[in-house]
Amino acid sequence: GENVEQHPSTLSVQEGDSAVIKCTYSDSASNYFPWYKQELGKGPQLIIDIRSNVGEKKDQRIAVTLNKTAKHFSLHITETQPEDSAVYFCAASMNSGYSTLTFGKGTMLLVSP
Amino acid sequence: DAGVIQSPRHEVTEMGQEVTLRCKPISGHDYLFWYRQTMMRGLELLIYFNNNVPIDDSGMPEDRFSAKMPNASFSTLKIQPSEPRDSAVYFCASSLKNPPRRLGDTEAFFGQGTRLTVV
Repeated sequence: GENVEQHPSTLSVQEGDSAVIKCTYSDSASNYFPWYKQELGKGPQLIIDIRSNVGEKKDQRIAVTLNKTAKHFSLHITETQPEDSAVYFCAASMNSGYSTLTFGKGTMLLVSP
Repeated sequence: DAGVIQSPRHEVTEMGQEVTLRCKPISGHDYLFWYRQTMMRGLELLIYFNNNVPIDDSGMPEDRFSAKMPNASFSTLKIQPSEPRDSAVYFCASSLKNPPRRLGDTEAFFGQGTRLTVV
């Protein structure tokens, strides 16, 4: 089955800095890669996703990049704000038919004012 | 839609007691998932249903765990008997296999979770 590794487990940055979280996956058949943000006391919420037919996707201050050859993908947050502080999860699945999401262990991002 | 609704939000129970967690998925979604979240193991998929039918329960840790989905709008996860190592946050999520806007996406919408403490 799929295995998703996520690094780092914790990340502290100053407000305004950029933050990068990286994930690797094992199953070359995976072609859908979402990122979830989990705030304290809440369930994970999808913030951005990417499919294997593109290498990069941006949505305001967040962007994801995908390298299918190397089987890794990354989340980039620019101009970080204190409200970006949360736990971020990457995940992978196959888009054909139906397959469940395999999640990474999560990254706790702390943005200090 | 109010999103995925889970109850209770918090549950504290004594070891050996039966615990029932409840979930109401988003109306119209045809997949429902139960996840367990712990610091050590992260988000683990326990079981998922498609059109109320259990598809894969390989993530259910032991026979003490069982899940049902009697209809499209309700599911339960039961632990009997409960043990301290079952303490975790349990999430329910639902998704639509073929949403009109993006065919084939597997976006899962999560509930707020139930924090279970077994003492």
